[in-house]
Amino acid sequence: GNSVTQMEGPVTLSEEAFLTINCTYTATGYPSLFWYVQYPGEGLQLLLKATKADDKGSNKGFEATYRKETTSFHLEKGSVQVSDSAVYFCALNFGNEKLTFGTGTRLTIIP
Amino acid sequence: DAGVIQSPRHEVTEMGQEVTLRCKPISGHDYLFWYRQTMMRGLELLIYFNNNVPIDDSGMPEDRFSAKMPNASFSTLKIQPSEPRDSAVYFCASSPPAGGGIQYFGAGTRLSVL
Repeated sequence: GNSVTQMEGPVTLSEEAFLTINCTYTATGYPSLFWYVQYPGEGLQLLLKATKADDKGSNKGFEATYRKETTSFHLEKGSVQVSDSAVYFCALNFGNEKLTFGTGTRLTIIP
Repeated sequence: DAGVIQSPRHEVTEMGQEVTLRCKPISGHDYLFWYRQTMMRGLELLIYFNNNVPIDDSGMPEDRFSAKMPNASFSTLKIQPSEPRDSAVYFCASSPPAGGGIQYFGAGTRLSVL
């Protein structure tokens, strides 16, 4: 079956540090890939997406590139802020609207 | 648009009581999803609907859980009887036609069963 594996959290960084959260997937075929973010006390919201190999999704300074050869979709940001503290979920889907989520990675940014 | 609206935001009940969670999806969206989130199990998809019809309920934990979508603007998730292990945050999400995996989540209902 389809699955998503994320790096274990929690991740704690200082403000302005470089961020990478690893995500790999297992799927038959070529899914669309997503990063969702959940701020404290809120529901998840879409951060970025990519629909085919080599596509780069970007939003709010975050980026992720769809790598078919390594089945990966790692999330990166060059300089994190305290306001980026949240839980980040990697996910995939095949267009049937149902998303397969990873377990989530909790990120805390220290001033 | 007001987004996906869930009610109540918090629910505290005693074991054995019936609990009903409510969701109003975004107008025009034809998919509706119910999720449960706990520290132990993470985010779990319970059931989802397309055009008010249940498509996949394989995530519903047991017969105590039921979900309905009587029309395009309203859905309920009912637990009867409730148990302490049902304590969690329950999210509703909706998706537009051909949304391609983009789901819009409500703020959630935090359920505590004592």
